[in-house]
Amino acid sequence: QSVLTQPPSASGTPGQGLNISCSGSRSNIGTNFVYWYQQLPERAPKLLVYRNIQRPSGVPDRFSGSKSGTSASLAISGLRSADEGDYYCAVWDDSLRGPVFGGGTKLTVL
Amino acid sequence: DVRLVESGGGLVKPGGSLKITCAASGFRFTDNSMNWVRQAPGKGLEWVSSISSKSTYMFYAESVKGRFTISRDNAKNSLDLQMSSLRAEDTAVYFCARGPYCTATSCHPDFDYWGQGTLVTVSS
Repeated sequence: QSVLTQPPSASGTPGQGLNISCSGSRSNIGTNFVYWYQQLPERAPKLLVYRNIQRPSGVPDRFSGSKSGTSASLAISGLRSADEGDYYCAVWDDSLRGPVFGGGTKLTVL
Repeated sequence: DVRLVESGGGLVKPGGSLKITCAASGFRFTDNSMNWVRQAPGKGLEWVSSISSKSTYMFYAESVKGRFTISRDNAKNSLDLQMSSLRAEDTAVYFCARGPYCTATSCHPDFDYWGQGTLVTVSS
């Protein structure tokens, strides 16, 4: 059971948009930057969003991050079949003195 | 190009030991923290350990504290994870990941490059 709570699954049709939530607490999301990772099937994770809202070069602007209080969200617009995979939030936890990952959200594009 | 290549995974008996290594290239190794993240079969990501650029600070997940030791050799651009007293629940793909500057109180999970992972199986 992770200290960061994500919905186990999310789905949408091509072209649609959706949000994946990540709920934490004051010792993690409430105090520190949130990061988002995409893991496509049989691949290593890839950094999608850093410092709450920043995108590494090469990540399309269809992916955007936000944070409010002790929750964060990853928005994906213009869904594509290539977006199918698992999405994880991650943040440093001051109480645990280490990074924590959310349980992951499996995205299906119908 | 940044490249991280893990090696050393394999089958080990419960209670046994194993060392896995990550060879880094394509960037100035001493500029970054280095990290291990694992993924059990069919499960999510779990952070294991982090080490600052000059080995000043090391952080461990509670699940591995006292059993795993992270180290790095900046002259050889390599990162190690020495694992002992291995348990079945340590079975996972272990990824090496490049991270940001760490302080005594934090080492944020800003992992911009990852290796492809090495599988460690703990079974009798």
